[in-house]
Amino acid sequence: DAGVIQSPRHEVTEMGQEVTLRCKPISGHNSLFWYRQTMMRGLELLIYFNNNVPIDDSGMPEDRFSAKMPNASFSTLKIQPSEPRDSAVYFCASSLYERTGELFFGEGSRLTVL
Amino acid sequence: DQQVKQNSPSLSVQEGRISILNCDYTNSMFDYFLWYKKYPAEGPTFLISISSIKDKNEDGRFTVFLNKSAKHLSLHIVPSQPGDSAVYFCAARSGGSNYKLTFGKGTLLTVNP
Repeated sequence: DAGVIQSPRHEVTEMGQEVTLRCKPISGHNSLFWYRQTMMRGLELLIYFNNNVPIDDSGMPEDRFSAKMPNASFSTLKIQPSEPRDSAVYFCASSLYERTGELFFGEGSRLTVL
Repeated sequence: DQQVKQNSPSLSVQEGRISILNCDYTNSMFDYFLWYKKYPAEGPTFLISISSIKDKNEDGRFTVFLNKSAKHLSLHIVPSQPGDSAVYFCAARSGGSNYKLTFGKGTLLTVNP
């Protein structure tokens, strides 16, 4: 079975550009999470969807960040405009039962904003 | 405000010996705790978990201990193997209507042959 699929794996962009990260969760999973990993802050939850509905977006740093889940098999995280401090690894994870916390992570998208 | 703390950024042990990774938390509302393992260039993978109603959970070479009064948990790996070398994240969840996981910053475990 395919795991969580993220694209792109690596993205280098200039400050001010729009960045779109994509995620395909595991088929049948009903919860999807976007995390960001940095050296300073570790793994932080940005937003969490359940049955395609955003449940908790309190971790989204500011209005430059937005996330959508138009259907059960696709989600995007968009940063517009991007800034150098957004450089991080962004992970998408999915879960069948969010209650257990046993998340299945993708391999991550490494973003570098110059 | 770090609610889940892993105070040791790194740990080095010899193959065959015990590895003990520690984690402290501050939020008394946390009711479920998990450990994840992460290899370079990969996403974290779930390793083992424990509910707050237990004080120990075992799965093969991996055992997690929970001390609620001290707000402390630990992961024991016995015997340690070189393939266990990875970053280990402690995570905690509070129940209710929001199943958000809060992660520690991780401990890099190196198991030397």
